[in-house]
Amino acid sequence: RKEVEQDPGPFNVPEGATVAFNCTYSNSASQSFFWYRQDCRKEPKLLMSVYSSGNEDGRFTAQLNRASQYISLLIRDSKLSDSATYLCVVSGGTSYGKLTFGQGTILTVHP
Amino acid sequence: SAVISQKPSRDICQRGTSLTIQCQVDSQVTMMFWYRQQPGQSLTLIATANQGSEATYESGFVIDKFPISRPNLTFSTLTVSNMSPEDSSIYLCSGYRGVEAFFGQGTRLTVV
Repeated sequence: RKEVEQDPGPFNVPEGATVAFNCTYSNSASQSFFWYRQDCRKEPKLLMSVYSSGNEDGRFTAQLNRASQYISLLIRDSKLSDSATYLCVVSGGTSYGKLTFGQGTILTVHP
Repeated sequence: SAVISQKPSRDICQRGTSLTIQCQVDSQVTMMFWYRQQPGQSLTLIATANQGSEATYESGFVIDKFPISRPNLTFSTLTVSNMSPEDSSIYLCSGYRGVEAFFGQGTRLTVV
C-alpha cells in the first residue's frame, strides 16, 4: 500500500465548476499535511497547509480528518489557471522534514 | 519563502558518465533534501543532505550511486554516478524552513 494515495484523475471540469480531491495516508504518526501544486515541467510549489480545523484560502478549502487519515482539497469557481497537478504531501512522524508525496491528481479546467 | 537556484536545468549524458547537480539557496535553511521524479510519477526522496556530515539515504538509494555534499547551510550537490538510461529523470533539491518546503527548478536528465 502506498504511504499517500490519491486519485490520479484526470479531472476535466468547465470554468466555474467546483472540484474536490481526496487523499489518504497510511502513517498515523504523520504530523504535517500539505497540498502542493505542480505545473507542467515546473517544480512543486506550496498551495496550502492543511490543519485539523480546516483552512480556507480564497477559492481553496483544505480539510484534514486524522481519525480517518484523510485529506481533501476543494476548489470553487475553477479558473483556467487552476489547471495543474495537485500533490497531496505528508510529513512528520519519526522522519521530521521528509516529505512523502502522493502521485498527484491532474486537473484540467476548460472554457 | 527562500529561493533555490538549481543547475543545470537539463542535460543529455552518455551512459557510464557522471553528472553533478548544484543547488544554491539564497539564505540559510535548516534542512535540504534531494528528490527524483520519474516520468509521469510523483516525487521520491533520495536522501537528506546533512551539513558537514554524510547524507542519509532512503531505501533503494546508495551513496556510491548518488554521492551528496553539503558543505554549508546554503549549498548542496548531488552526483548521479555511472549513469544508465534508467537514471533519466527529473532531479529536484528542496530546502525546508519552518513548515514549508520549497524546491529548485529541477534538472531534467536524459541518459543515452
